[in-house]
Amino acid sequence: QLRESGPGLVRPSETLSLSCTVSGGSARKTYWSWIRQSPGRGMEFIAYIYNGGSANYNPSLKSRVTMSADMSKNQFSLRLTSVTAADTAVYYCALGSWLMDFWGRGTLVTVSS
Amino acid sequence: EIVLTQSPVTLSVSPGERATLSCRASQSLRKDLGWYQHKPGQAPRLLIYDASKRATGIPARFSGSGSGTDFTLTIDSLEPGDFAIYYCQQRDYWPWTFGQGTRVDIK
Repeated sequence: QLRESGPGLVRPSETLSLSCTVSGGSARKTYWSWIRQSPGRGMEFIAYIYNGGSANYNPSLKSRVTMSADMSKNQFSLRLTSVTAADTAVYYCALGSWLMDFWGRGTLVTVSS
Repeated sequence: EIVLTQSPVTLSVSPGERATLSCRASQSLRKDLGWYQHKPGQAPRLLIYDASKRATGIPARFSGSGSGTDFTLTIDSLEPGDFAIYYCQQRDYWPWTFGQGTRVDIK
């Protein structure tokens, strides 16, 4: 019911862009989020939007990340600028009423030249 | 940032036995702690929220308990499909954080 899409390879210093398409009843959930998982940092919340409002960003990434959502299209997106090898991870989109009830399967993004 | 420390890192259990997983927080939480099950290549699955409430469709053999800084996930009578990695997650303080996971494998 959630599917991440975007390039699997991004060059260092460039911008990572991902989209998440939501289908089915899960779109009614109020918290929409991006999470990533890497061997070095484990699972990490990147950002979330509550009920179509403003995005909230992890302070560790705030200067480089933008999350937006188009509720009418059941889609939301992530942009992460100036990527380095440390941004290599599996990126998940997830939705929930409080905790994250629904997740995508994740998409691996590798940062490499 | 709240640090969640899970123990043990790996737990080897025989099918039919009980597994007890621990999650300790670096500071006291209200009840906003949950547990997820994650199998390779699949979407993580929410098991427990509010420390002790089962999410929709989760079997009764999964139970959560705890308060403050110490929380526990118990899986009774392990079934083959329960062998996976389990993560705790807090949402009392932003940024919400996860533990590093406990791998439950077959003994």
